[in-house]
Amino acid sequence: GENVEQHPSTLSVQEGDSAVIKCTYSDSASNYFPWYKQELGKRPQLIIDIRSNVGEKKDQRIAVTLNKTAKHFSLHITETQPEDSAVYFCAASDAGGFKTIFGAGTRLFVKA
Amino acid sequence: NAGVTQTPKFRVLKTGQSMTLLCAQDMNHEYMYWYRQDPGMGLRLIHYSVGEGTTAKGEVPDGYNVSRLKKQNFLLGLESAAPSQTSVYFCASSYLGLYQPQHFGDGTRLSIL
Repeated sequence: GENVEQHPSTLSVQEGDSAVIKCTYSDSASNYFPWYKQELGKRPQLIIDIRSNVGEKKDQRIAVTLNKTAKHFSLHITETQPEDSAVYFCAASDAGGFKTIFGAGTRLFVKA
Repeated sequence: NAGVTQTPKFRVLKTGQSMTLLCAQDMNHEYMYWYRQDPGMGLRLIHYSVGEGTTAKGEVPDGYNVSRLKKQNFLLGLESAAPSQTSVYFCASSYLGLYQPQHFGDGTRLSIL
């Protein structure tokens, strides 16, 4: 079946460094790729998303890139801060949105 | 707006007991979902609904039933709880249409003894 692989499972960086999380999806019909941030004990919340007709999208310190040919997409966080520490989930869904597959998550630690 | 509200927040059950988790959303969303979250396994879809009166199976539906009698509510039932169903359950909802993100509730932490 369809799946989304996410790497790494854990990532530790120094404050101010960049962090990159990578995902690979299997369903070629996927055309919407949201990223969610989940702080400890809280709900997952959307931080950025990208559609299949776009190669890159940026929002302040966060950017997402998509390579549809290779079925890869990545989250880039620059100038990391301690409040960026959380679990990040990538996801892939079809345009209808009700078939969304999540990656296993990346736990990001930002050391002050 | 409250967004997506889940009740209860915590529950401890004994094996074999039944219970219902309630999800309510006030955003007039068409789509609603139930996920379970286990360590190292991300969010796995249990069941979903694309509108009032409809339900469909997700990735891990066994042992669960759902109902969507009203557009704003999506109920998840465990008929005979098993220890393997110990998990954190999240409800989510989204608008009908292209490229719509999901909005999550705060989760229900369920322990089956």
